[in-house]
Amino acid sequence: QVQLVESGGGVVQPGRSLRLSCEASGIPFSASGMHWVRQAPGKGLEWVAMIWSDGSDEFFADSVKGRFTISRDNSKNTVDLQMNSLRAEDTAVYYCARDKGTRYMDQWGQGTLVTVSS
Amino acid sequence: IVLTQSPSTLSLSPGERATLSCRAGQSIDRSLAWYQQKPGQPPRLLIYGASNRATGTPARFSGSGSGTDFTLTISSLEPEDFALYYCQQRNNWPLTFGQGTRLESK
Repeated sequence: QVQLVESGGGVVQPGRSLRLSCEASGIPFSASGMHWVRQAPGKGLEWVAMIWSDGSDEFFADSVKGRFTISRDNSKNTVDLQMNSLRAEDTAVYYCARDKGTRYMDQWGQGTLVTVSS
Repeated sequence: IVLTQSPSTLSLSPGERATLSCRAGQSIDRSLAWYQQKPGQPPRLLIYGASNRATGTPARFSGSGSGTDFTLTISSLEPEDFALYYCQQRNNWPLTFGQGTRLESK
């Protein structure tokens, strides 16, 4: 059974940092690219970042480039999103998702809520 | 690449045919997926590569199109089909989603 479980969300002040983590089970994690996708309250989906299965390359949305980093530990089946210099507009539910192998997302976690507020 | 979905809201009854549109700002070949999202749930991949059903997607869902114009068709609506639908392109970085179409029960 496939499970992607996100953690690390919470309330953080503008300008501060937060690190999200996603632990995977039931998938060949070391062979899977992984994404982070976010959804602001009542809004649509926004792709945030992707990391290749071996961690050799990363891609980011323009809105987070230079502030967010993505990393993975294939020995622990985890992918992390380090979010720095957070802004109010980063407030969202953050989902991790498995790449189908074609830059489509075929498995999703339940999400973790990040609220950026003073 | 900007994806524009239409209509924003579609009101239909069970048993009717639903046609959802996604238009890309430039050609993306067939590099398009469709996702369904229900309240409080993560999205679910329905269609990828414009017309390929993902594992578990019922046959009443079909996708078509290429280039800039794409369509998701639900042949006969079931009660569980009323949800939000998003298209996503993978042709260029950054990956982008459309703004969504809400399919609601009339």
